[in-house]
Amino acid sequence: GQQVMQIPQYQHVQEGEDFTTYCNSSTTLSNIQWYKQRPGGHPVFLIQLVKSGEVKKQKRLTFQFGEAKKNSSLHITATQTTDVGTYFCAGTGNSGYSTLTFGKGTMLLVSP
Amino acid sequence: DAGITQSPRHKVTETGTPVTLRCHQTENHRYMYWYRQDPGHGLRLIHYSYGVKDTDKGEVSDGYSVSRSKTEDFLLTLESATSSQTSVYFCAISEIATDRGGTGELFFGEGSRLTVL
Repeated sequence: GQQVMQIPQYQHVQEGEDFTTYCNSSTTLSNIQWYKQRPGGHPVFLIQLVKSGEVKKQKRLTFQFGEAKKNSSLHITATQTTDVGTYFCAGTGNSGYSTLTFGKGTMLLVSP
Repeated sequence: DAGITQSPRHKVTETGTPVTLRCHQTENHRYMYWYRQDPGHGLRLIHYSYGVKDTDKGEVSDGYSVSRSKTEDFLLTLESATSSQTSVYFCAISEIATDRGGTGELFFGEGSRLTVL
């Protein structure tokens, strides 16, 4: 079945440093979504990427979808303590009938 | 936040007992999903529904059953709970399918923490 791998599992940064999490799929994806989950909370949708090579920005967050639509990344510039949480990517397969598959997530800790 | 209510929010039960978790939505979204979240495993799909009385299995459906008799309610049942089913369970909804290349954004409930002793 479809697998979505995410690295790193965990990252601890100082406030102001940049952060990047990477997502790789074993198969071509039709689209990829990103979610953020605060400690003790529920996942919250951040963005969806659909097109090959697509880049989207939300303030300090930059999302990219690879040209082959098999990988994606989330980059946070100048992290803040409010960025703390776990970031998940989730992809939908490109062929047949497939549901959204989540990566295992990257936990981000930001020290002031 | 989307109108999604999960109940109970916390439950402790013993091995072998039946457990039902309820997800109730006020958004009239067509699609509903049950995920479990465990450390090191992320979110894994248990079952989902694409309409009233229309359900299908996810990647970790063994030991679980679901029912959807009304648009707004999606029930997850553990017929005979086991310790391996100790987890946090999230219900999610979407208006557009997340499968077959759909573009459905998921809205999650607050979660139900289940402990099976």
